[in-house]
Amino acid sequence: EVQLLESGGDSAQPGGSLRLSCAASGFTFSSHAIGWVRQAPGKGLEWVSTISSNGIHTDYADSVKGRFTISRDNSKNTLYLQMNSLRAEDTAIYYCATTIFGVGPPWGKGTTVTVSS
Amino acid sequence: DIVMTQSPDSLAVSLGERATINCKSSQSILYSSNNQNYLAWYQQKPGQAPKLLIYWASTRESGVPDRFSGSGSATDFTLTISSLQAEDVALYYCQQYFTTRWTFGQGTKVEIK
Repeated sequence: EVQLLESGGDSAQPGGSLRLSCAASGFTFSSHAIGWVRQAPGKGLEWVSTISSNGIHTDYADSVKGRFTISRDNSKNTLYLQMNSLRAEDTAIYYCATTIFGVGPPWGKGTTVTVSS
Repeated sequence: DIVMTQSPDSLAVSLGERATINCKSSQSILYSSNNQNYLAWYQQKPGQAPKLLIYWASTRESGVPDRFSGSGSATDFTLTISSLQAEDVALYYCQQYFTTRWTFGQGTKVEIK
C-alpha cells in the first residue's frame, strides 16, 4: 500500500527558510512523478509543485516559482521541498501527493508550515 | 492552467436524498490514447487530509461506499451521493491530473437539510 509521510513543517519568520521531506513506501518510488499540494487555513487546495520520476522535469505554481525548489532522492525514496524567502501567505498544511491510484491513499496526512513574525 | 469550476458552492440535502456536485474543466481532460478522463474527487472533513473517493472520473476507490459515484467525460463531470448519510457532511473537491500542473475546483460544501 502507498504510504507518504511528510515532515519538516515548523514555524518560520518572513524571509526565512524551511525544508520539507516526504518519505514514500509501498510503491516503486523511482517510477512515478510526485508533488506537493498545500491548503491555507480555511481555504481550498492549491497545487505547489511537481517533479518527474527521474527528477529532471519540475514545475511550480506561479505563487512559489523562484522561491521553492522541489527535488527527490530515488535512492532514499524521499521527496523534498526547499522553501526560501517565506511569506505569510505560505502558511498552510503541505501535502505530499501522487496520482497513483488503487493502491492506497495517494496523499500523505500533511505537515504544517506557519510563517509569522 | 486548466481551470476547474465546481457547482454549487454549497448544498443542503435531506438524509437519504441524492446530492449532486458538478465540476467543469476549462479544456478537455480526456486523453484520447487511453480514453481516460484525468479527474479525481476528494472528500475532506474538518481537521483531516483529503480522502480519495473517485479516480479516472468514475472508478471508486477501494473501501468507498457505493452510494458515491462519478460520471462525465471531457469537460463535464459529476459526483453523485445517491443517499446522503450524516457522515457524508464534508467538503468535496474535484482535481484534474491531465497536466502536471494539477488544479482543483474551489470545493463544494455538503450539509444536511
